[in-house]
Amino acid sequence: NAGVTQTPKFRVLKTGQSMTLLCAQDMNHEYMYWYRQDPGMGLRLIHYSVGEGTTAKGEVPDGYNVSRLKKQNFLLGLESAAPSQTSVYFCASSYSVGYGYTFGSGTRLTVV
Amino acid sequence: QQQVKQSPQSLIVQKGGISIINCAYENTAFDYFPWYQQFPGKGPALLIAIRPDVSEKKEGRFTISFNKSAKQFSLHIMDSQPGDSATYFCAASFGTNAGKSTFGDGTTLTVKP
Repeated sequence: NAGVTQTPKFRVLKTGQSMTLLCAQDMNHEYMYWYRQDPGMGLRLIHYSVGEGTTAKGEVPDGYNVSRLKKQNFLLGLESAAPSQTSVYFCASSYSVGYGYTFGSGTRLTVV
Repeated sequence: QQQVKQSPQSLIVQKGGISIINCAYENTAFDYFPWYQQFPGKGPALLIAIRPDVSEKKEGRFTISFNKSAKQFSLHIMDSQPGDSATYFCAASFGTNAGKSTFGDGTTLTVKP
């Protein structure tokens, strides 16, 4: 099925560990986004990309890095995880500006 | 700075009733206003969207009402059903900002049978 696939779905990290979240889309979308969702705080933009090889900071980029080496993939990295990064992470893609997002099913990350 | 304010935080409606969720925005550059529906354990899914050149858009039981002068828009769910119980997010974006969406904090809707 066409859509956005996120891996892994769940992960528990210890403080200071690193990990990479993978997002893959098969809709040939140019725009890709990483959001985090925390209770009562809606969705906050971490980083985004407007095309292959491009990345930019969003609203809450500190502690995260991203890469988009291929158009269909958008990776989110945590170099040294902190408890404040406990959250649900969503990847989304969009055909262009002024179009809605297609979201993945999310990655639930717990940092202990 | 919260650019999109959503209310209420939670809403309980009887089956068959009308559910109304409101959003207000600040940036007049916004030109695309989607609503997303999210079920527990799932990602948000695009439900319906409107652009500011129209005042209302209807898709089935879901209607967006848009008031450009008041910088407000709302989602109306007619004949609400228990299956509509979910969290609803409004959002706003504009073309020169890489399509980045600013989201409201969400409304948890419960439709009682």
